[in-house]
Amino acid sequence: NAGVMQNPRHLVRRRGQEARLRCSPMKGHSHVYWYRQLPEEGLKFMVYLQKENIIDESGMPKERFSAEFPKEGPSILRIQQVVRGDSAAYFCASSPRPGQGPGELFFGEGSRLTVL
Amino acid sequence: DQQVKQNSPSLSVQEGRISILNCDYTNSMFDYFLWYKKYPAEGPTFLISISSIKDKNEDGRFTVFLNKSAKHLSLHIVPSQPGDSAVYFCAARRSGNQFYFGTGTSLTVIP
Repeated sequence: NAGVMQNPRHLVRRRGQEARLRCSPMKGHSHVYWYRQLPEEGLKFMVYLQKENIIDESGMPKERFSAEFPKEGPSILRIQQVVRGDSAAYFCASSPRPGQGPGELFFGEGSRLTVL
Repeated sequence: DQQVKQNSPSLSVQEGRISILNCDYTNSMFDYFLWYKKYPAEGPTFLISISSIKDKNEDGRFTVFLNKSAKHLSLHIVPSQPGDSAVYFCAARRSGNQFYFGTGTSLTVIP
């Protein structure tokens, strides 16, 4: 399967714990996006990264949230000291380098975080 | 600031009829518009797109219309099928490869 791979698909954490969500982009894609979907809401942009570089993090909460896309390995979205309001579906999407291909995003199946 | 808006949270249509989903945007710098379809517990999947230099793009039962002067686009599905029941997201791309999504419209096609 050469699609966008996200894991874990489901994650349960207690308040105050850390959550780490991983995303491997499609083969050949060098750009990764993270979106959050709260219950009954749309897709909210969080962060846009390329390898070893954050391009746009304007959608990331200022505290507790961080993202990285290292030279080797998957992109990771990290949420420290989770609270109940962090419970949501987190979607990763990837795209090729701008200018290559038609430009649409390809999404993973999402990681559903539940904070108890 | 919601730059892409889908003002209808839900839509119900009879099987075989036309479904029209609407989307409005505010930023005239968007150069590419896309529609995604999402089933419960799955990720969004790309459906159809249109460049800002065009006003229509058709792919089988799906047609997207773009009215740049009104900053409005719509997705037409005809004939609608029960399998089309899903949430549809409108998205717009700005230079720098940044994408903005609407809040989605839940389409129900009634058999």
